[in-house]
Amino acid sequence: QVQLQESGPGLVKPSETLSLTCTVSGGSISSYYWSWIRQPAGKGLEWVGHIYSSGSTNYNPSLKSRVTMSVDTSKNQFSLKLSSVTAADTAVYYCARDVGVFDYWGQGTLVTVSS
Amino acid sequence: QSALTQPASVSGSPGQSITISCTGTSSDVGSYNLVSWYQQHPGKAPKLMIYEVSKRPSGVSNRFSGSKSGNTASLTISGLQAEDEADYYCCSYAGSVIFGGGTKLTVL
Repeated sequence: QVQLQESGPGLVKPSETLSLTCTVSGGSISSYYWSWIRQPAGKGLEWVGHIYSSGSTNYNPSLKSRVTMSVDTSKNQFSLKLSSVTAADTAVYYCARDVGVFDYWGQGTLVTVSS
Repeated sequence: QSALTQPASVSGSPGQSITISCTGTSSDVGSYNLVSWYQQHPGKAPKLMIYEVSKRPSGVSNRFSGSKSGNTASLTISGLQAEDEADYYCCSYAGSVIFGGGTKLTVL
């Protein structure tokens, strides 16, 4: 059974860079796309972007200028960096396996942007 | 790209059927059969319920069904049960990924 676990700081200061890592267990990260999806409190889901195990990426156009994703196949991990954050980036961030649908999800991690 | 349009809330009594609509455009929902639905209970991660418009993943009850007509996809839940009370999100995977705004289902 594939399992995903997000990790990273729960508090980030405005204008700084949010950094999260997703660790995949129970299966290989290779040959799949992996997505980041976020959800502000009380609001809907927003796709941030995805990365293939080879490193190719596709980002949400609304966030593209601030997003960088990377993958480390040796550690079965992939990562998200979101720069120049504001309070509007406060959300629960989920990582998920992306096979054209999101079939496995992490439990989510709350990231708060505040000074 | 705008979010897909869903009703904010729907409700039904146990045993009844409800339908949640998801309206997009000819560039997303209308052009591809890559529409999926997710169920989310409070404080939990979303769960895949329907993919490719009408297919159910293994383990999902056959009380859940999906369909599409033109630019609108629909999720129908028959034989409503208390545990179906949750938020439901549609999703179009057409080049980029767009979610609906979500629908809160209340089981009366």
